[in-house]
Amino acid sequence: ETGVTQTPRHLVMGMTNKKSLKCEQHLGHNAMYWYKQSAKKPLELMFVYNFKEQTENNSVPSRFSPECPNSSHLFLHLHTLQPEDSALYLCASSPIAGADTQYFGPGTRLTVL
Amino acid sequence: QQQVKQSPQSLIVQKGGISIINCAYENTAFDYFPWYQQFPGKGPALLIAIRPDVSEKKEGRFTISFNKSAKQFSLHIMDSQPGDSATYFCAAIQNQAGTALIFGKGTTLSVSS
Repeated sequence: ETGVTQTPRHLVMGMTNKKSLKCEQHLGHNAMYWYKQSAKKPLELMFVYNFKEQTENNSVPSRFSPECPNSSHLFLHLHTLQPEDSALYLCASSPIAGADTQYFGPGTRLTVL
Repeated sequence: QQQVKQSPQSLIVQKGGISIINCAYENTAFDYFPWYQQFPGKGPALLIAIRPDVSEKKEGRFTISFNKSAKQFSLHIMDSQPGDSATYFCAAIQNQAGTALIFGKGTTLSVSS
């Protein structure tokens, strides 16, 4: 595997379900990001982690819970989501937070019923 | 102050024509301006980038023009091809400041054959 991988690629869940999105980067980077991409707000930054520490939370609702166990892995835990949370969730990485180039994964297409 | 304003939202160009996408920013501390290209089902990928010490950068058919005094920059795609049909995002960052890229809202380009 190379670059940034995300699993699953597609996810359908009910509003009462709990699910997790996984991101893994094989680039040796130390910063990882979660973005939400929807038609209304194309690339909305959610969280930033730098050396496993959360450095930015863009007022994201608590029903989204990130976890960064090490610099290569990033999770987004989901619970009691709303239909308006349906979107493409993109993970990205960079050498450190604030580096000028971010590398994106292919995204997870989430549908909340 | 932190926004990057991008226009147009969508663009239709004939094959062989020139595609032009514009962006404007307010924060004079930004010192790196990349353009990302996103195809359907994929994450955004770095296309070309410029620093404010130059007014133009060209890579193949893609050129960034940068106007520091006007705080504007633009992407020009010469000899546009159907394979260029994608969504384009401009972005800006203050390098090494520890924050993520600030993205514009994107432009969907369709090149008709």
